Amino acid sequence: SAVISQKPSRDICQRGTSLTIQCQVDSQVTMMFWYRQQPGQSLTLIATANQGSEATYESGFVIDKFPISRPNLTFSTLTVSNMSPEDSSIYLCSVDPTEYGYTFGSGTRLTVV
Amino acid sequence: AQSVTQPDIHITVSEGASLELRCNYSYGATPYLFWYVQSPGQGLQLLLKYFSGDTLVQGIKGFEAEFKRSQSSFNLRKPSVHWSDAAEYFCAVGALTSGTYKYIFGTGTRLKVLA
Repeated sequence: SAVISQKPSRDICQRGTSLTIQCQVDSQVTMMFWYRQQPGQSLTLIATANQGSEATYESGFVIDKFPISRPNLTFSTLTVSNMSPEDSSIYLCSVDPTEYGYTFGSGTRLTVV
Repeated sequence: AQSVTQPDIHITVSEGASLELRCNYSYGATPYLFWYVQSPGQGLQLLLKYFSGDTLVQGIKGFEAEFKRSQSSFNLRKPSVHWSDAAEYFCAVGALTSGTYKYIFGTGTRLKVLA
């Protein structure tokens, strides 16, 4: 299985600011996925990121709020923009489970104050 | 639309007792099915997965799950629960949507273990 590293592991941010989360994979992967886990909730897919193309966002998520970069086959970033307390969540990245294993990054725990 | 239902939000069992966590899914084709565990403040750990073949799947930490197509279920079981099993458990379906493979997660079941 691919090994996925995320940073930061946690952060406390002021409302109105932005935070960029990094996801590094130890293999070259076609697709990377970003999920959000709100407090006490399950995981919800934010978007799918392919290298060299724009990310595909799920219903309820927009690029202006969650811009994603995918500069190469091992790396992606998710930015949470203009944050509000409602953005306090755990953000996780993952890879195509059918090709690279069924693992997630350790997550970024974001608190917005 | 694909969906995953975990009807039990909380379950409490005594240490040493047996455990069954329920999972039902809705998907038009044969799904890929997963169970994950998440301990407090930790990431997700894969317990087991089902793709095809034997419908009784063995996983890590003594867990097993049985796929029942007729019931659209994939229930997780453990014959004897340990205190360290207290955690949140998520059932997930691997779904092919618009050419992209994604996970759809259930809402989770929080397990409490009594000493």
